[in-house]
Amino acid sequence: KAGVTQTPRYLIKTRGQQVTLSCSPISGHRSVSWYQQTPGQGLQFLFEYFSETQRNKGNFPGRFSGRQFSNSRSEMNVSTLELGDSALYLCASSLDEGAYIYGYTFGSGTRLTVV
Amino acid sequence: SQQGEEDPQALSIQEGENATMNCSYKTSINNLQWYRQNSGRGLVHLILIRSNEREKHSGRLRVTLDTSKKSSSLLITASRAADTASYFCATVANQAGTALIFGKGTTLSVSS
Repeated sequence: KAGVTQTPRYLIKTRGQQVTLSCSPISGHRSVSWYQQTPGQGLQFLFEYFSETQRNKGNFPGRFSGRQFSNSRSEMNVSTLELGDSALYLCASSLDEGAYIYGYTFGSGTRLTVV
Repeated sequence: SQQGEEDPQALSIQEGENATMNCSYKTSINNLQWYRQNSGRGLVHLILIRSNEREKHSGRLRVTLDTSKKSSSLLITASRAADTASYFCATVANQAGTALIFGKGTTLSVSS
């Protein structure tokens, strides 16, 4: 079966712009989480969604937002981009109410570079 | 904030040797998971050990969990060059909902 699909794979944006990243989970998976990975901070938790509801949110400013659709696909948006937002953004899906039961399947990520 | 912390940060070994990585965490957990990441790509789930389990095996992987010390170890036996990757432990804290929180990882380099 198809894995977790993230689009686009690479993205270059200018400071001040906004960006939308997309994630399609494995078919049947209803839980989607987002992570930001940087060399300095490592993997930082952004959000977790289950059945279109945000269940958890990490410690990120309000410029970072997300949503999940009825087909479990998810998007995250970053407004007013800053240089420090340059990172690998990873999406992960899980079968049911969270990775604590089943573990996550990750996508290959979107590499965002802010210039 | 990081829940888990891996040790060592980096490890270099020869093919055929065993590699041991350790993870310490801060609060009580439901389970602990180990993941592998190859060169900036997505993470791959390796093994999950529940808080009431002490040891688990999967192929060449052996994971132990000591809840009294709040620590876990991942042993990779007979390492191969293909095991070169970063390894992360991840936990779900009992009092923090269902968000999976990762440590900063151990970078393993296996040379042939």
